[in-house]
Amino acid sequence: GENVEQHPSTLSVQEGDSAVIKCTYSDSASNYFPWYKQELGKRPQLIIDIRSNVGEKKDQRIAVTLNKTAKHFSLHITETQPEDSAVYFCAASSYQGAQKLVFGQGTRLTINP
Amino acid sequence: EAQVTQNPRYLITVTGKKLTVTCSQNMNHEYMSWYRQDPGLGLRQIYYSMNVEVTDKGDVPEGYKVSRKEKRNFPLILESPSPNQTSLYFCATQSNYGYTFGSGTRLTVV
Repeated sequence: GENVEQHPSTLSVQEGDSAVIKCTYSDSASNYFPWYKQELGKRPQLIIDIRSNVGEKKDQRIAVTLNKTAKHFSLHITETQPEDSAVYFCAASSYQGAQKLVFGQGTRLTINP
Repeated sequence: EAQVTQNPRYLITVTGKKLTVTCSQNMNHEYMSWYRQDPGLGLRQIYYSMNVEVTDKGDVPEGYKVSRKEKRNFPLILESPSPNQTSLYFCATQSNYGYTFGSGTRLTVV
């Protein structure tokens, strides 16, 4: 089955700098790659996703890139702000009637003022 | 408002005492699933359901049961809880716009 590895497990950056979180996946059939943000004590919420027919997707300060050949994808946050502090999860799935998501281990991002 | 409602939010119980965590959704989604979240391990799928009366094991199903008698409800049952089931549990539904998670249930088994 699918296996998703996420790095780093913790990341600390200065406010205004960029943050990058990387994930690799094992199943070449995976075609959907969402990213979730989980603030302290709250539920994970979808912030951006990408499908395998696209190499990059951007939404304001957040972007995701996908390299299907290398089987890795990354989350990029620019101009970081204190409210970006949270745990971020990557996930991967292949459509099999329903999209079972396999999650990475999570990255705790801390933005230092 | 589209919602996935879990109850209870917090639960402390003793080893061996059966418990049920409820999950209800008002979005008419067919696919529902249960995940547990543990530090350093991310979110791992316990069970999922693709429709009424259709359920299947996820990656960590041992010690858990589920049922799907109605489309809106997907309860998670721990027949004989053990301390290694202490965790944060999330119910989720899936649509074309991704997963929607419930607010979570923090379970402690002593």
